[in-house]
Order: sequence, then structure tokens, then C-alpha cells
Amino acid sequence: AQKVTQVQTEISVVEKEDVTLDCVYETRDTTYYLFWYKQPPSGELVFLIRRNSFDEQNEISGRYSWNFQKSTSSFNFTITASQVVDSAVYFCALSERTGGGNKLTFGTGTQLKVEL
Amino acid sequence: KAGVTQTPRYLIKTRGQQVTLSCSPISGHRSVSWYQQTPGQGLQFLFEYFSETQRNKGNFPGRFSGRQFSNSRSEMNVSTLELGDSALYLCASSLSRDHEQYFGPGTRLTVT
Repeated sequence: AQKVTQVQTEISVVEKEDVTLDCVYETRDTTYYLFWYKQPPSGELVFLIRRNSFDEQNEISGRYSWNFQKSTSSFNFTITASQVVDSAVYFCALSERTGGGNKLTFGTGTQLKVEL
Repeated sequence: KAGVTQTPRYLIKTRGQQVTLSCSPISGHRSVSWYQQTPGQGLQFLFEYFSETQRNKGNFPGRFSGRQFSNSRSEMNVSTLELGDSALYLCASSLSRDHEQYFGPGTRLTVT
């Protein structure tokens, strides 16, 4: 069965610090997708990134970057120069390709607090 | 392009009643999934519909059901409500299973 683990329950940083959110996953599938979502206090889940299991290339989007390492089953998310607006709960998720469907298995989330 | 919309946004029901939640996906999206979010269990997959067919179902009792209409709009129904059904119910849509899911603002259901 698929499983996603986010070890850090809560992280507090001061604005402008870099912060990395860890995500480790388990799956028997060779083809799968990994995702990161952001959930601000308003409650709506905001899509950040999707990564195919065959694409281990790291990605950078502005202050956000993602490091996918298949060898360690990890898909970590780094925010550079954090800002107060980054404060939210961040979820890592996994979707297996076999069996059809679009089921996302989420981690328990990491609450990020960025303070001035 | 309008995002995923969910109605109602807030709902208060009494134990034993039933409830219907509605979701309108992004235009052109044919896959609609439902998730339940609670402080104790986190985000859990309920079911997914694609072209009016349930394609995948999570581990929830039969009191939870859903359907999808020909215009891709979806509804989920919970019968015989229990206190533990109090949660944020999130709907998500995507073009297909090979695409990312976009979530709506959710319906917060409180069962008293």
C-alpha cells in the first residue's frame, strides 16, 4: 500500500530564512506521481508541483525548489528566503498509476510558520 | 477560467440526517475526486468519478456515496450522519488521471 510520511509536524522560521520540508514515500508501483500542495488558513488546497516518477530532475520555481531522489524515496521541498505569506500547511501526496483512477494519498502535513 | 466551486460552503446538520454536497469542476475537466479532511485522520480519499463512472473508492462506509452528471458536476451524499462525519469535504477536478488535481474551497460540515 502506498504511504507518505512528513516527519516535521511544525516548523517555525524567521522571515528570509531558508526552510526545507521533508517528504518520504512508499509505493510498490514503478510509475507514480508526487505532488506538493499548500493549504493556507482559508482552507483551499493550492497545487504547487507534480513530478513523474521517471523524472528525477530537480525543479526550481522562483523561491521554491524541489529535490526528488528515487534512491531514498524522498521528494523534499525548499523555500528560499521565506516570507510571512508562506505560512501555511504543506502537504506532500502520492498517486499510483496502476489500478486506474486519480487517488491521492496525502502525508499528514507540515505547518510552516514564518515570523517577522 | 473559473476554479472548482463547491456548495454550500458551510453546513450544520443533526445526527441521523442526510446531506448532499455539490461540486462543479473546472470547465473541461472530466475527473472529479472527493476528500475528507479531519484533524484526526488528515486528508482521506473518498471516491473519484470520471465520465459519470465511479473509478476509484476509498475506505469509507456505504453511507458515503456520490455521483457525477453528464456535465461533469458531481454530488456526494452522506446518509445517517454521525458526529464523526464533521469535517471539511474537498472536491478536486483534473483533466484526467495523468494530470494534477485542482481543489475547491471545501464544504465545512458540522454534525451536532
